[in-house]
Amino acid sequence: EAQVTQNPRYLITVTGKKLTVTCSQNMNHEYMSWYRQDPGLGLRQIYYSMNVEVTDKGDVPEGYKVSRKEKRNFPLILESPSPNQTSLYFCASSFRSGNSPLHFGNGTRLTVT
Amino acid sequence: AQSVTQLGSHVSVSEGALVLLRCNYSSSVPPYLFWYVQYPNQGLQLLLKYTSAATLVKGINGFEAEFKKSETSFHLTKPSAHMSDAAEYFCAVSDSGGNQFYFGTGTSLTVIP
Repeated sequence: EAQVTQNPRYLITVTGKKLTVTCSQNMNHEYMSWYRQDPGLGLRQIYYSMNVEVTDKGDVPEGYKVSRKEKRNFPLILESPSPNQTSLYFCASSFRSGNSPLHFGNGTRLTVT
Repeated sequence: AQSVTQLGSHVSVSEGALVLLRCNYSSSVPPYLFWYVQYPNQGLQLLLKYTSAATLVKGINGFEAEFKKSETSFHLTKPSAHMSDAAEYFCAVSDSGGNQFYFGTGTSLTVIP
Protein backbone atom coordinates (compact mmCIF):
# COMPACT_ATOMS: atom_id res chain seq x y z
CA GLU A 1 0.00 0.00 0.00
CA ALA A 2 1.29 3.43 -0.97
CA GLN A 3 1.79 5.46 2.15
CA VAL A 4 3.73 8.01 4.13
CA THR A 5 4.63 6.71 7.57
CA GLN A 6 5.45 8.97 10.47
CA ASN A 7 6.66 7.91 13.88
CA PRO A 8 5.82 8.40 16.63
CA ARG A 9 2.14 9.42 16.52
CA TYR A 10 2.34 11.03 19.93
CA LEU A 11 5.37 12.43 21.74
CA ILE A 12 5.69 14.24 25.03
CA THR A 13 9.08 15.63 25.91
CA VAL A 14 10.78 18.30 27.97
CA THR A 15 12.43 21.51 26.91
CA GLY A 16 15.90 21.03 25.49
CA LYS A 17 15.81 17.27 24.98
CA LYS A 18 16.73 16.48 21.37
CA LEU A 19 14.20 14.48 19.41
CA THR A 20 13.68 13.10 15.93
CA VAL A 21 10.42 12.45 14.13
CA THR A 22 10.84 9.96 11.34
CA CYS A 23 9.11 10.02 7.97
CA SER A 24 9.27 7.38 5.30
CA GLN A 25 7.46 7.00 1.97
CA ASN A 26 7.25 3.95 -0.27
CA MET A 27 6.16 5.68 -3.49
CA ASN A 28 9.60 6.63 -4.83
CA HIS A 29 8.64 10.29 -4.53
CA GLU A 30 11.30 12.90 -5.17
CA TYR A 31 9.66 15.70 -3.19
CA MET A 32 9.15 15.55 0.58
CA SER A 33 8.21 18.21 3.08
CA TRP A 34 7.31 18.90 6.70
CA TYR A 35 4.45 21.02 8.03
CA ARG A 36 3.19 22.08 11.39
CA GLN A 37 -0.51 22.58 12.02
CA ASP A 38 -1.65 25.03 14.67
CA PRO A 39 -5.22 26.15 15.45
CA GLY A 40 -6.20 29.18 13.42
CA LEU A 41 -2.98 29.10 11.41
CA GLY A 42 -3.54 26.15 9.12
CA LEU A 43 -0.50 24.28 7.87
CA ARG A 44 2.83 26.01 7.58
CA GLN A 45 5.77 24.56 5.74
CA ILE A 46 8.91 23.95 7.79
CA TYR A 47 11.35 22.40 5.31
CA TYR A 48 11.16 20.69 1.99
CA SER A 49 13.41 18.51 -0.13
CA MET A 50 13.46 18.25 -3.89
CA ASN A 51 15.66 15.14 -3.90
CA VAL A 52 18.40 13.33 -2.01
CA GLU A 53 20.82 15.79 -0.37
CA VAL A 54 18.71 18.76 -1.53
CA THR A 55 16.80 20.55 1.21
CA ASP A 56 15.51 24.08 1.67
CA LYS A 57 13.70 26.20 4.22
CA GLY A 58 10.00 26.75 4.19
CA ASP A 59 8.15 29.48 6.02
CA VAL A 60 8.91 28.46 9.61
CA PRO A 61 12.30 26.67 9.73
CA GLU A 62 13.64 28.15 12.98
CA GLY A 63 14.41 25.50 15.56
CA TYR A 64 14.22 22.59 13.13
CA LYS A 65 16.67 20.58 11.07
CA VAL A 66 16.14 17.99 8.36
CA SER A 67 18.23 15.61 6.32
CA ARG A 68 17.64 13.66 3.13
CA LYS A 69 20.26 10.96 2.86
CA GLU A 70 17.95 8.47 1.21
CA LYS A 71 15.07 9.09 -1.16
CA ARG A 72 12.48 7.41 1.05
CA ASN A 73 13.35 9.03 4.39
CA PHE A 74 13.08 12.62 5.56
CA PRO A 75 13.47 12.93 9.35
CA LEU A 76 12.64 16.10 11.26
CA ILE A 77 15.06 16.95 14.04
CA LEU A 78 14.48 19.27 16.96
CA GLU A 79 17.88 19.85 18.55
CA SER A 80 16.56 21.77 21.54
CA PRO A 81 12.77 21.70 21.63
CA SER A 82 10.87 24.57 23.23
CA PRO A 83 7.22 24.83 24.31
CA ASN A 84 6.37 26.95 21.25
CA GLN A 85 7.13 23.90 19.13
CA THR A 86 4.19 22.08 20.66
CA SER A 87 2.14 21.31 17.57
CA LEU A 88 0.78 18.71 15.18
CA TYR A 89 3.38 17.82 12.56
CA PHE A 90 2.79 16.32 9.14
CA CYS A 91 5.18 14.85 6.66
CA ALA A 92 4.15 14.80 3.01
CA SER A 93 5.57 13.63 -0.29
CA SER A 94 4.79 13.91 -3.98
CA PHE A 95 6.13 12.46 -7.18
CA ARG A 96 7.38 15.87 -8.19
CA SER A 97 6.66 19.39 -7.18
CA GLY A 98 4.22 21.74 -8.88
CA ASN A 99 0.85 20.26 -9.68
CA SER A 100 1.51 16.85 -8.19
CA PRO A 101 -0.63 16.48 -5.07
CA LEU A 102 0.89 15.86 -1.70
CA HIS A 103 0.46 12.55 0.11
CA PHE A 104 0.35 13.06 3.86
CA GLY A 105 1.29 10.95 6.84
CA ASN A 106 -1.10 10.63 9.76
CA GLY A 107 0.68 13.21 11.84
CA THR A 108 2.76 13.43 15.00
CA ARG A 109 1.36 15.29 17.95
CA LEU A 110 4.26 16.78 19.88
CA THR A 111 4.00 18.31 23.33
CA VAL A 112 7.02 20.10 24.79
CA THR A 113 6.78 20.94 28.50
CA ALA B 1 5.07 34.57 -1.54
CA GLN B 2 1.66 33.20 -2.20
CA SER B 3 -1.20 33.47 0.24
CA VAL B 4 -4.49 31.68 0.55
CA THR B 5 -7.58 33.03 2.27
CA GLN B 6 -10.42 30.83 3.40
CA LEU B 7 -13.44 32.84 4.46
CA GLY B 8 -15.24 31.30 7.40
CA SER B 9 -13.36 29.12 9.84
CA HIS B 10 -16.59 27.29 10.67
CA VAL B 11 -19.46 26.46 8.36
CA SER B 12 -22.63 24.62 9.35
CA VAL B 13 -25.11 23.19 6.88
CA SER B 14 -28.10 20.92 7.16
CA GLU B 15 -27.90 17.44 5.73
CA GLY B 16 -28.95 17.63 2.09
CA ALA B 17 -28.15 21.33 1.75
CA LEU B 18 -25.59 22.94 -0.52
CA VAL B 19 -22.03 23.11 0.74
CA LEU B 20 -19.99 26.17 -0.26
CA LEU B 21 -16.48 26.67 1.10
CA ARG B 22 -14.64 29.74 -0.09
CA CYS B 23 -11.01 30.08 -1.13
CA ASN B 24 -9.17 33.03 -2.62
CA TYR B 25 -5.54 33.08 -3.58
CA SER B 26 -3.08 35.85 -4.29
CA SER B 27 -1.19 35.41 -7.51
CA SER B 28 -0.84 37.26 -10.76
CA VAL B 29 -0.04 34.00 -12.48
CA PRO B 30 -2.51 31.11 -12.18
CA PRO B 31 -0.89 28.77 -9.70
CA TYR B 32 -1.55 25.14 -8.96
CA LEU B 33 -4.60 24.86 -6.71
CA PHE B 34 -5.80 22.06 -4.45
CA TRP B 35 -8.48 21.22 -1.93
CA TYR B 36 -7.71 18.77 0.84
CA VAL B 37 -9.92 17.23 3.52
CA GLN B 38 -8.84 16.23 7.01
CA TYR B 39 -10.86 13.84 9.13
CA PRO B 40 -10.22 13.66 12.88
CA ASN B 41 -6.87 12.13 13.82
CA GLN B 42 -5.87 11.69 10.21
CA GLY B 43 -3.63 13.34 7.68
CA LEU B 44 -4.90 15.40 4.78
CA GLN B 45 -6.38 13.70 1.74
CA LEU B 46 -6.64 15.21 -1.71
CA LEU B 47 -10.18 16.14 -2.77
CA LEU B 48 -9.35 17.71 -6.10
CA LYS B 49 -6.79 19.80 -7.94
CA TYR B 50 -6.86 22.43 -10.65
CA THR B 51 -4.78 21.44 -13.65
CA SER B 52 -5.72 24.26 -16.07
CA ALA B 53 -7.42 21.76 -18.38
CA ALA B 54 -10.87 22.89 -17.23
CA THR B 55 -12.13 25.61 -14.92
CA LEU B 56 -14.66 23.29 -13.27
CA VAL B 57 -12.87 20.50 -11.46
CA LYS B 58 -14.60 17.42 -10.14
CA GLY B 59 -13.22 15.61 -7.14
CA ILE B 60 -14.05 12.71 -4.91
CA ASN B 61 -17.21 12.31 -2.81
CA GLY B 62 -19.27 14.58 -5.07
CA PHE B 63 -17.22 17.71 -4.48
CA GLU B 64 -16.26 20.13 -7.21
CA ALA B 65 -14.50 23.48 -7.46
CA GLU B 66 -14.55 26.24 -10.00
CA PHE B 67 -11.46 28.24 -10.89
CA LYS B 68 -12.24 31.88 -11.56
CA LYS B 69 -9.17 33.80 -12.63
CA SER B 70 -10.92 37.19 -12.60
CA GLU B 71 -11.88 36.68 -8.97
CA THR B 72 -8.72 34.74 -7.97
CA SER B 73 -11.05 32.22 -6.39
CA PHE B 74 -11.32 28.46 -6.18
CA HIS B 75 -14.47 27.80 -4.15
CA LEU B 76 -15.46 24.26 -3.21
CA THR B 77 -19.04 23.09 -3.54
CA LYS B 78 -21.19 20.02 -3.09
CA PRO B 79 -24.87 20.03 -4.03
CA SER B 80 -26.09 17.94 -1.12
CA ALA B 81 -24.25 17.58 2.20
CA HIS B 82 -23.92 14.23 3.86
CA MET B 83 -23.14 13.55 7.50
CA SER B 84 -19.86 11.95 6.44
CA ASP B 85 -18.72 15.28 4.95
CA ALA B 86 -18.12 16.71 8.42
CA ALA B 87 -14.39 17.44 8.48
CA GLU B 88 -11.83 20.20 8.10
CA TYR B 89 -11.17 21.45 4.59
CA PHE B 90 -8.03 23.17 3.39
CA CYS B 91 -7.38 25.10 0.24
CA ALA B 92 -3.76 25.09 -0.94
CA VAL B 93 -1.65 26.62 -3.65
CA SER B 94 1.83 25.82 -4.85
CA ASP B 95 4.08 28.45 -6.34
CA SER B 96 5.01 28.53 -9.99
CA GLY B 97 8.29 26.81 -9.23
CA GLY B 98 6.45 24.14 -7.33
CA ASN B 99 8.84 24.25 -4.40
CA GLN B 100 6.51 25.50 -1.72
CA PHE B 101 2.92 24.84 -0.82
CA TYR B 102 0.77 27.40 0.98
CA PHE B 103 -2.32 26.39 2.88
CA GLY B 104 -5.31 28.35 4.04
CA THR B 105 -6.27 28.33 7.69
CA GLY B 106 -8.94 25.75 7.09
CA THR B 107 -12.74 25.58 7.32
CA SER B 108 -14.41 23.21 9.71
CA LEU B 109 -17.61 21.86 8.19
CA THR B 110 -20.43 20.70 10.47
CA VAL B 111 -23.39 18.85 9.00
CA ILE B 112 -26.58 19.08 11.00
CA PRO B 113 -28.98 16.13 10.77
